[in-house]
Amino acid sequence: AQKITQTQPGMFVQEKEAVTLDCTYDTSDQSYGLFWYKQPSSGEMIFLIYQGSYDEQNATEGRYSLNFQKARKSANLVISASQLGDSAMYFCAMREGLWNAGNMLTFGGGTRLMVKP
Amino acid sequence: GAVVSQHPSRVICKSGTSVKIECRSLDFQATTMFWYRQFPKQSLMLMATSNEGSKATYEQGVEKDKFLINHASLTLSTLTVTSAHPEDSSFYICSARDYRPGRRAFFGQGTRLTVV
Repeated sequence: AQKITQTQPGMFVQEKEAVTLDCTYDTSDQSYGLFWYKQPSSGEMIFLIYQGSYDEQNATEGRYSLNFQKARKSANLVISASQLGDSAMYFCAMREGLWNAGNMLTFGGGTRLMVKP
Repeated sequence: GAVVSQHPSRVICKSGTSVKIECRSLDFQATTMFWYRQFPKQSLMLMATSNEGSKATYEQGVEKDKFLINHASLTLSTLTVTSAHPEDSSFYICSARDYRPGRRAFFGQGTRLTVV
């Protein structure tokens, strides 16, 4: 079974509007971490936001927020006020187990976001 | 199937020795490869960008002499952790970018390095 599922291979959003990128995950661990990364055309992965499984509040970092719904096992990324520079691939990832256990990240298939002027 | 092969997947080495990790693009040419280190809570951190035929570009704080990167061909980049110490224990992940316009980068499977 897929550990991380991103169901939207590609999305368009109008500049200055908000957009939600979907991510669902599958784990039996009680402790896990969820990450979102941005991959621009240059190829490198840029860390955006992190949510721990025990964090009660949704994570926010500037224009990025993570809509964490634990019971539904979803961790959607919300980008507010989209900018042209937000056009990129976005990856959701999960680390199972405690943060100091050194477990590897599992990535979803990614969503290509295109911001229209 | 995997389009980027990273080898080995796991390695245990003694403190003070060197370890080489290979990253190969299997069905495309990669003029650029990226090397990441995974920290438990801080997620992936870019260590360096490797360009075929030229010197790697290291991120601030990454020791060039300790993490030697070679990108000798369009399908192979290597990361050598020299004089490894226990604090170097981590996951190291590469990604390779298809040189053709509009193509994305793909991740290797990662290497778990344990220094004892």
